[in-house]
Amino acid sequence: AQTVTQSQPEMSVQEAETVTLSCTYDTSESDYYLFWYKQPPSRQMILVIRQEAYKQQNATENRFSVNFQKAAKSFSLKISDSQLGDAAMYFCAYTSGTASKLTFGTGTRLQVTL
Amino acid sequence: NAGVTQTPKFQVLKTGQSMTLQCAQDMNHEYMSWYRQDPGMGLRLIHYSVGAGITDQGEVPNGYNVSRSTTEDFPLRLLSAAPSQTSVYFCASSFTGLGNTIYFGEGSWLTVV
Repeated sequence: AQTVTQSQPEMSVQEAETVTLSCTYDTSESDYYLFWYKQPPSRQMILVIRQEAYKQQNATENRFSVNFQKAAKSFSLKISDSQLGDAAMYFCAYTSGTASKLTFGTGTRLQVTL
Repeated sequence: NAGVTQTPKFQVLKTGQSMTLQCAQDMNHEYMSWYRQDPGMGLRLIHYSVGAGITDQGEVPNGYNVSRSTTEDFPLRLLSAAPSQTSVYFCASSFTGLGNTIYFGEGSWLTVV
């Protein structure tokens, strides 16, 4: 079975600084997608960024970028120029196949301080 | 755009009671699923469906029942609620196919006392 591991339960970053959240996964599949979701206190699940395993280029979305290391099965999220609104739980997730079933990590709570 | 709509948003049940969490989507998505979120854990898949009339179990299906009679609706039934089912429940939908955007409902807070 696929597993997703987030080893940092909590992280803290100062406003305008950069922070990296870690995620590792285990799979025997060759094609799959990885995602980072943001969950603010409202509990809404917000897609931050996605990466297809076959694409070597790391995905970027404005201040958010990933470092995808397929051989190491690592998928970290970098948030640049952190803002107070970035404070939330961040979940790493994995899916393969056509049924859009997601396997989530346990999450990292990000605090942003002034 | 309504997207994925879950009802109710909050519910308190007594142990042994039954109830149904409703989920509806208006995007003509083939795939729908239910997750639960417990403290310290990520979302875990309960049941999913790849189309009307087709359902299958996820990681934590015990105590839950689903059916999919239409493309739009995917209700989750708790037949005899237990305190261990106290959780936040999320419904999600997408088109089938690897990597398609998965849309989540706003969540349903369920407390079983």
